[in-house]
Amino acid sequence: DAKTTQPNSMESNEEEPVHLPCNHSTISGTDYIHWYRQLPSQGPEYVIHGLTSNVNNRMASLAIAEDRKSSTLILHRATLRDAAVYYCILRPPQGGSEKLVFGKGTKLTVNP
Amino acid sequence: ETGVTQSPTHLIKTRGQQVTLRCSSQSGHNTVSWYQQALGQGPQFIFQYYREEENGRGNFPPRFSGLQFPNYSSELNVNALELDDSALYLCASSLDRGRTGNTIYFGEGSWLTVV
Repeated sequence: DAKTTQPNSMESNEEEPVHLPCNHSTISGTDYIHWYRQLPSQGPEYVIHGLTSNVNNRMASLAIAEDRKSSTLILHRATLRDAAVYYCILRPPQGGSEKLVFGKGTKLTVNP
Repeated sequence: ETGVTQSPTHLIKTRGQQVTLRCSSQSGHNTVSWYQQALGQGPQFIFQYYREEENGRGNFPPRFSGLQFPNYSSELNVNALELDDSALYLCASSLDRGRTGNTIYFGEGSWLTVV
């Protein structure tokens, strides 16, 4: 299983941007980069995913390095509700297994 | 709201007992996966069911078993419970075995405590 490395924790202030890094130096050419987050006492929640190009959606932006060995999840204006554990996950392109390999993720604390 | 519902939300069992956890997948989703999440850890994949057949399994012993029904709901059964089985059990559903474009939706989980 392809491995990702994330900082254990990060801290931000409300309404400021947050950049959550992820290293995945062993990524294969066809792996997609997915981000999920888990709010306290809830199941994981899909945030965003991408392959090579940067991606934006209503929740966040995903910036992918040109060599694809790292990526950054960007929350443009953190809110208290964004306090969660964020997981960076690599997924192969073909269906066949829904297996997601979670690491320990990054625990984001948002200060008011 | 993800449309994935799990029951019960909390339960306590004694070591050696058996437990059944239930999951109702999002409408139209034919794929269900189960994950175990110990305190302070990320979720670990147990197995996946696609159209009523097991379609992938993680590193869990055979006493972890499951079922998927014709309506795509699912059960996770754990026999001979051990103290280390205490965890949050998560159910996830998606369409067609989680093709990359398909979002995977998680339920809120069932908290199991083994004493």
